[in-house]
Amino acid sequence: IQLTQSPSSLSASVGDRVTITCRASQGITSYLAWYQQKPGKAPKLLIYAASTLQSGVPSRFSGSGSGTDFTLTISSLQPEDFATYYCQQLNTYPITFGQGTRLEIK
Amino acid sequence: EVQLVESGGGLVQPGGSLRLSCAASGFIFTDYWMSWVRQAPGKGLEWVANIKLDGSERYYVDSVKGRFTISRDNAKNSLYLQMNSLRAEDTALYYCTRATLYADSWGQGTLVAVSS
Repeated sequence: IQLTQSPSSLSASVGDRVTITCRASQGITSYLAWYQQKPGKAPKLLIYAASTLQSGVPSRFSGSGSGTDFTLTISSLQPEDFATYYCQQLNTYPITFGQGTRLEIK
Repeated sequence: EVQLVESGGGLVQPGGSLRLSCAASGFIFTDYWMSWVRQAPGKGLEWVANIKLDGSERYYVDSVKGRFTISRDNAKNSLYLQMNSLRAEDTALYYCTRATLYADSWGQGTLVAVSS
């Protein structure tokens, strides 16, 4: 199953509302996760089951969608949110990731 | 605190072998599937393999099938990845992850470089 994220990169300002989309090549119900990765660091799980916030993750992060279309929204960007974001599907083996969305400071 | 510490990476020639290890602590190892995920330099994430709690089920990405073997030693709280017939395209940072279906904990990775 291919996952296509859009945009591939994004420039935004602190305080902006940002939405990243992930489209699956076939239906994956809600078996989708979102990860954040900062340079030189391991990825961090943000959202699982499409919309469930991982413990400890700020509530400005939210996820939605099911089937083939999913979104990650950051309601008000903070300086620490500038990173690369990946979606991942776990509905079908092989597990696959999207290509990533790089979120940069404008 | 959950800790995953990878080791065993290094420089290897094409066609060579390496065995990666991941030492787990801070959780009940036998309660979790475990995974390896890799990231080539400057590239995105690629899932490599999963192993069930007791090792009875294993899954691999197509590009490593027949070359890599994931295994675990529950008595030692350790995960392994035996990598044979290595290719240049296997060059990556290899992460060990705990998988509550989703990868909720990650190690810091061990670097594998395949080059002559």
